[in-house]
Amino acid sequence: GIQVEQSPPDLILQEGANSTLRCNFSDSVNNLQWFHQNPWGQLINLFYIPSGTKQNGRLSATTVATERYSLLYISSSQTTDSGVYFCAVWGPYDMRFGAGTRLTVKP
Amino acid sequence: DTEVTQTPKHLVMGMTNKKSLKCEQHMGHRAMYWYKQKAKKPPELMFVYSYEKLSINESVPSRFSPECPNSSLLNLHLHALQPEDSALYLCASSQDSGLAGGARYFGPGTRLLVL
Repeated sequence: GIQVEQSPPDLILQEGANSTLRCNFSDSVNNLQWFHQNPWGQLINLFYIPSGTKQNGRLSATTVATERYSLLYISSSQTTDSGVYFCAVWGPYDMRFGAGTRLTVKP
Repeated sequence: DTEVTQTPKHLVMGMTNKKSLKCEQHMGHRAMYWYKQKAKKPPELMFVYSYEKLSINESVPSRFSPECPNSSLLNLHLHALQPEDSALYLCASSQDSGLAGGARYFGPGTRLLVL
């Protein structure tokens, strides 16, 4: 089945700092999505990014499908960025979430 | 409108109760999903409905019974649950059917506590 790994598992930043989150995945993946889960449990769609690069404000993401990884960049972090960041990957027959990166942004 | 709604937000039930969780989307999506998330863990897929037909059941116990009355609605009927079934239950939808593709949109979830 599909394997997916996220790193780092935990990240503590000072407000204003930049960060990079990584998602590595196995073969047979043709879809990838990044989510932010807020403290209330809501999974917020950040990027649907099977390949290429996308940007939305302070966030951007890059997926290099041929090398089986995706990166999520957060610039000028704010306390509201705190929470858990998940990448989810899927193929024709399987779908997995990574274990997540827990981000804490301190004021 | 990219909203998926779920009711109720919170649910407390005894092990002998029967209850239902509801999910609704009006994006014209043809695939809908139920996920279960335990504390400090990622969501795990339970069921997939594609064009109102159950296409995936991830070996979920029969005390969980999904139902898709139409393309916009998804229910999860609960009966004789165990305390270990306490979790956040998330509903999602996507444009494309099954697992083939398309972004997933998640509802806010129902926090279930089984006593």
